[in-house]
This record gives sequence, C-alpha cells and structure tokens, in this order.
Amino acid sequence: DGGITQSPKYLFRKEGQNVTLSCEQNLNHDAMYWYRQDPGQGLRLIYYSQIVNDFQKGDIAEGYSVSREKKESFPLTVTSAQKNPTAFYLCASSPRQEGTQYFGPGTRLTVL
Amino acid sequence: GQQVMQIPQYQHVQEGEDFTTYCNSSTTLSNIQWYKQRPGGHPVFLIQLVKSGEVKKQKRLTFQFGEAKKNSSLHITATQTTDVGTYFCAGPPYNNNDMRFGAGTRLTVKP
Repeated sequence: DGGITQSPKYLFRKEGQNVTLSCEQNLNHDAMYWYRQDPGQGLRLIYYSQIVNDFQKGDIAEGYSVSREKKESFPLTVTSAQKNPTAFYLCASSPRQEGTQYFGPGTRLTVL
Repeated sequence: GQQVMQIPQYQHVQEGEDFTTYCNSSTTLSNIQWYKQRPGGHPVFLIQLVKSGEVKKQKRLTFQFGEAKKNSSLHITATQTTDVGTYFCAGPPYNNNDMRFGAGTRLTVKP
C-alpha cells in the first residue's frame, strides 16, 4: 500500500522546546516538500529536497531545519527560534520537482 | 520572486449555482496544477494542464490554461455540497522548478 505518511496527527509542545515532525514515503519519489498552513490560509513552502543529502530553503525557512539522509524520509524540526510555530504542517512528495505533489495527512502542531 | 494569485478568496453559493476561481501568475508557468482540500483534510491533486490554451473536463469541472501560460481557471457547473472545500492552483515557472501555490479559494455550498 503506497503512500506518504506523517506522524503524529496532533502534537502538543511547550514553548521553547524543539520538536521533530516525521514524513515518510514509499512512492520512490525524488522530491519532497514541507509546507505550513495557517487557519484559512494557503500553503507556504518551508523546505524542499530534490535528492538525498540535498535540500533548499523555501519562503519561510527561518526557525526550521530538515534532513534528507534517506530517499524515503524528510523529517522537519521546528526549533525554539520559530516565533509562531502553531500551525498545520503538510509534507508532500513528487516524482520530480515540477510534477504532481502527493500530500500526507498533515500534523497539527500546537505550542502552549 | 514568482507569485501566484487566486481570486476570489471566498465564494459562497447556493447548491446548483455555478462557481469559478481564477489563478494568475506573475511569470510564465511550465504547467498548472489544481488541488482540492476538504475541510480538515489535506490537498488532493485534481488535474494538470501543460499546453497553452488547454481545456480539460472532469464531469462538472472545467479547467483552462491561458494562452500565455500565466493564468488558469476552474469552473464548476451546478455545484453540489460535495464540492465544498478550498481549491488551490500551483505551478512551476520556466526559469526554475519551485512549485508555488496560490492562496486558494474557499467554496461553501448552501443546500
């Protein structure tokens, strides 16, 4: 059963703590993405990766970090430097960078 | 940088009425993609248009890609309550492969 998974679905953290969101895909896609969505808003690109061991900053990378050690995995760390981390985080993958994106179910992060 | 704009931001219609959302890019796109996000869900791919002036239909949905490949539209005929959600357009410009999403149009349908 192929697809893209994100865990956990809901996450609560105290202010000042780093938190890592998981994203895994078994679609054999080269490109992976992280987006942030705030209530009633569109998708803003945080980071993307075209290939293993390489990634680029998107529009709102400050306060976030990523790694791409394996093709299947693209975890996102929300650091304490991110001023307003409470949001819905969506991970996506694509066979190539300009191709169709397949989204995971998302993680709703709430920082208390 | 490239910007993708969508209008309107919100649209509320009576069931059975038509609905159209428009997407405009500041740069020429290599293709345009449309996604639908149901309330509480994640975006799901609907369609991709590649050719200048291309028109594609999916049942009651009609998608168009402009001649200059800088604008696109999605038209829904005779809306149903199942059409509720936010519709996003997205596209990579020719000068790089970054995907850029519009802010989306949120459609609500009154039964």
